[in-house]
Amino acid sequence: AQTVTQSQPEMSVQEAETVTLSCTYDTSESDYYLFWYKQPPSRQMILVIRQEAYKQQNATENRFSVNFQKAAKSFSLKISDSQLGDAAMYFCAYRSVLTQGGSEKLVFGKGTKLTVNP
Amino acid sequence: SQTIHQWPATLVQPVGSPLSLECTVEGTSNPNLYWYRQAAGRGLQLLFYSVGIGQISSEVPQNLSASRPQDRQFILSSKKLLLSDSGFYLCAWSAPRTRFDRNPEAFFGQGTRLTVV
Repeated sequence: AQTVTQSQPEMSVQEAETVTLSCTYDTSESDYYLFWYKQPPSRQMILVIRQEAYKQQNATENRFSVNFQKAAKSFSLKISDSQLGDAAMYFCAYRSVLTQGGSEKLVFGKGTKLTVNP
Repeated sequence: SQTIHQWPATLVQPVGSPLSLECTVEGTSNPNLYWYRQAAGRGLQLLFYSVGIGQISSEVPQNLSASRPQDRQFILSSKKLLLSDSGFYLCAWSAPRTRFDRNPEAFFGQGTRLTVV
């Protein structure tokens, strides 16, 4: 079974600075999706960014970018020019590409709480 | 556009009472549906997922059950709540899968905060 590990329970960053959140995963599959979700204090889960494993190019969305290292099974999230509104729990998630065999599961890590200091 | 509705937002129930949380999706057909629980503001634990009417997969043996009586309706139930059932419950949906599907992300409801007293 696939597992997702976020080794940093909490992180903090100064406003306007850059922070990187770590995520590693374990899978025997070669094609899959990876996601970062954000959960602000409202507790609404918001998709931040996604990465297809078959793409070598790292995904970017404005100030958010990932460092996808497939061989190392690592998927870190970099937030540039951090803003107060970035303060939230961040979850890394994995989903298989396969269309059968329980592949519909979206597996989450335990999350990293990000604090942004003014 | 697709929307997901989850209710109630907050619920306080006594130990031993039944539970019914409902989730509905609009604007799509045959979605994959999920129930997650988040305890103590931490990680999301997948409880159940469904790829079609009447098709429920359980991830964790527990005091809860799920049903999908209609295509876009997903219900989380319990006959007798335990204190340990307290938590934040999230419903989510994702698009039905095809071989060339490249819209795999899940979209979440607003959540239900359940307190068992």
